[in-house]
Amino acid sequence: DGGITQSPKYLFRKEGQNVTLSCEQNLNHDAMYWYRQDPGQGLRLIYYSQIVNDFQKGDIAEGYSVSREKKESFPLTVTSAQKNPTAFYLCASSIAASMDEQFFGPGTRLTVL
Amino acid sequence: DAKTTQPTSMDCAEGRAANLPCNHSTISGNEYVYWYRQIHSQGPQYIIHGLKNNETNEMASLIITEDRKSSTLILPHATLRDTAVYYCIVRVVSRGSQGNLIFGKGTKLSVKP
Repeated sequence: DGGITQSPKYLFRKEGQNVTLSCEQNLNHDAMYWYRQDPGQGLRLIYYSQIVNDFQKGDIAEGYSVSREKKESFPLTVTSAQKNPTAFYLCASSIAASMDEQFFGPGTRLTVL
Repeated sequence: DAKTTQPTSMDCAEGRAANLPCNHSTISGNEYVYWYRQIHSQGPQYIIHGLKNNETNEMASLIITEDRKSSTLILPHATLRDTAVYYCIVRVVSRGSQGNLIFGKGTKLSVKP
């Protein structure tokens, strides 16, 4: 089955540790996105990638980093510089940036203790 | 900031039509209206989108006013599984633009037996 997967579903880390969230898609989509969602709020864009080996900052990129070495993978690292990392993180992909609807993964809920 | 205004919450009886309104009075000529929904603790799911004509698919119908300043998403026969937060989003659809979705707080639809 084609789709977009994120792992793990729940993640706990100690304050000051970097953590990497996984996002994989087998839809052959060029564009991939990372969003953050806080309780009762809408989604905010962290980073996006329109094509492999290229990515751009979104609205709240500070304290995060990404890579796009393979078309199907877009991992997000939450660094210790992110002041408020506890949140629900959502990855999405689309055939091409801005041209099509986005398909979302199930999300990773990160809790920093 | 989101370019749309939606009611915070709505109730609907199971089996009845759910009509979710959205105001987008500053919409530009090249912006489409998209609807997504998010069931609790899951990733958002695409529902439908349109530019100026009314649209229908297997999930819902989208009615856009002639001046395009507002729209209504219609779920013709709501079920308990339609309980979710519904997001109305306007976005430019053109190759080369950023492509991210700007989510507001949406409308929490509660379908009751």
